[in-house]
Amino acid sequence: AQTVTQSQPEMSVQEAETVTLSCTYDTSESNYYLFWYKQPPSRQMILVIRQEAYKQQNATENRFSVNFQKAAKSFSLKISDSQLGDTAMYFCAFMKYNNNDMRFGAGTRLTVKP
Amino acid sequence: DVKVTQSSRYLVKRTGEKVFLECVQDMDHENMFWYRQDPGLGLRLIYFSYDVKMKEKGDIPEGYSVSREKKERFSLILESASTNQTSMYLCASSTQDSLDSPLHFGNGTRLTVT
Repeated sequence: AQTVTQSQPEMSVQEAETVTLSCTYDTSESNYYLFWYKQPPSRQMILVIRQEAYKQQNATENRFSVNFQKAAKSFSLKISDSQLGDTAMYFCAFMKYNNNDMRFGAGTRLTVKP
Repeated sequence: DVKVTQSSRYLVKRTGEKVFLECVQDMDHENMFWYRQDPGLGLRLIYFSYDVKMKEKGDIPEGYSVSREKKERFSLILESASTNQTSMYLCASSTQDSLDSPLHFGNGTRLTVT
């Protein structure tokens, strides 16, 4: 079974600064997908960014980017120019290739301070 | 946009009651999922379904059952609610049209069992 580990239960960052959230995973698969989801206080889970394991290039979505290290099984999320609206729980998730069953980490609570 | 609707945002039930949590999606998605979310544990998969009348156990199915009589509706049933089932329950759906289809979530139902 795949496991996803987020070792930082809570983090904080000053507005406009950069923060990196860590995620590691354990799998014997060679093809898979990785995701970061955001859950603001409204509780609505929102997809932030996704990465295909067979792509070496790190995914980027505006202020959000990932550092994908396949050999180290690491998938960190970098948020640049942090905004107050980035305050949320962030979940890292893993999905096997050709299998829609998604597994999540325990989450990191990020607070952006003004 | 995909809309996943959970029938109740908050629910309070007594120990031993039979509880139904309803979830409806409007995008003709084949896959539907039920997760529970607990602090420090992230999201854990209870049950999922890839088709009508089809169900598969997730990581923590004990004490739960599900029903999928129609493609758009996936119900989670607590046959005899217990206090350790107090949690946030999240429903999600995804399509089988693409290999990396992300999950689309409802707003969650916070269930309290007293």
